[in-house]
Amino acid sequence: QSALTQPPSASGSPGQSVTISCTGTSSDVGGYNYVSWYQQHPDKAPQLIIYEVTKRPSGVPDRFSGSKSGNTASLTVSGLQAEDEADYYCSSNAGSNSLVFGGGTKLTVL
Amino acid sequence: VQLMESGGELVQPGGSLRLSCAASGFTFSIYSMMWVRQAPGKGLEWVSYISVSGTTTYYADSVKGRLTISRDNAKNSLYLQMSSLRVEDTAVYYCARCPGSWRLDPWGQGTLVTVSS
Repeated sequence: QSALTQPPSASGSPGQSVTISCTGTSSDVGGYNYVSWYQQHPDKAPQLIIYEVTKRPSGVPDRFSGSKSGNTASLTVSGLQAEDEADYYCSSNAGSNSLVFGGGTKLTVL
Repeated sequence: VQLMESGGELVQPGGSLRLSCAASGFTFSIYSMMWVRQAPGKGLEWVSYISVSGTTTYYADSVKGRLTISRDNAKNSLYLQMSSLRVEDTAVYYCARCPGSWRLDPWGQGTLVTVSS
């Protein structure tokens, strides 16, 4: 149950695109298509923004997109807006009986 | 759709505590549920999973044998019984609905558990 690896920080200017990576192993990210991404604003509960690698829940802007290659999943935020400044976490199942999160990435909108 | 946790408080190391999560706005009995925690200033850590009927449960290695997840579908409630608490269990505990594919949506607002002497 080792945590997935995310960069501690990322940044971009308004209107730009930024990509956050999430690296695991063949036992989690690489072995399944159950990668999710969560957005967490300060002192708020996390909110699901991407699930099953590429799918967006209703209400989530299409500026948020997900992808995966091998053991690494990625979240891309296009057309950065001030309200996108938050912490982002990836998760994946690790087999049939556990869930693992990434360490989190703090996204700063410059 | 709403989840509301309660029961968090200050407890001494070695103590016990029971957290509750009240669900409303959806049919609680057809969804798996999970607990996730977040230590102050730290990232998210998965704690436990429980199936629709409550017959299947999973735990993170860090809490196995000390924390017990349960549910009461008649009361639309999820629980986390915590015992032999350690300082490192200090965190905000979130309950979350699992609609499938190991995703969590939505989350409750969280309840703070502080383990300290």
